[in-house]
Amino acid sequence: RKEVEQDPGPFNVPEGATVAFNCTYSNSASQSFFWYRQDCRKEPKLLMSVYSSGNEDGRFTAQLNRASQYISLLIRDSKLSDSATYLCVVNSRDSSYKLIFGSGTRLLVRP
Amino acid sequence: EPEVTQTPSHQVTQMGQEVILRCVPISNHLYFYWYRQILGQKVEFLVSFYNNEISEKSEIFDDQFSVERPDGSNFTLKIRSTKLEDSAMYFCASEAGGNYGYTFGSGTRLTVV
Repeated sequence: RKEVEQDPGPFNVPEGATVAFNCTYSNSASQSFFWYRQDCRKEPKLLMSVYSSGNEDGRFTAQLNRASQYISLLIRDSKLSDSATYLCVVNSRDSSYKLIFGSGTRLLVRP
Repeated sequence: EPEVTQTPSHQVTQMGQEVILRCVPISNHLYFYWYRQILGQKVEFLVSFYNNEISEKSEIFDDQFSVERPDGSNFTLKIRSTKLEDSAMYFCASEAGGNYGYTFGSGTRLTVV
């Protein structure tokens, strides 16, 4: 089983749509979870951390289900500028700062 | 906003040559990392560095790779004898600690010919 698994997409949605991405991770000892965004041929940029209680940052909502080892990201009211690859990221074990990246889910927002 | 700086942005080298990729992490950060991304593939961990020593390394980080923090600010990745399969984007990252996520540099695109 891959350490971090994501649907590669692409998700092709119109502007204004709501879109959800899912991710599963294999290491039950992982304690830190993140969503990063990566534009083509650019560095990953931290979008948001994911907390057990769920958290929201503007149009973005992240959820964590530790029992199912499942993380989600919801984007509401999609903008053209949201087009990018979204990377699900977890730390490798509870005492490590090493991050493990999923392969990413590509989002295309069309006018 | 503080940033991680990497140089050069693009390096072309012949197979078998040594390359040094340079990074200036954010000044108050304590943890430093190198990752790589082969075109079309996922971001892969190479090595982590803390308190002037390697804290963890991956299988990719073999004897051909080394890291240094020579002067307290720069953080370098050296590949001693490059292979074609070393062609990738190399990202440096730093973190203050506390698992708040990394800040990545803009990367060095290494092309081995």
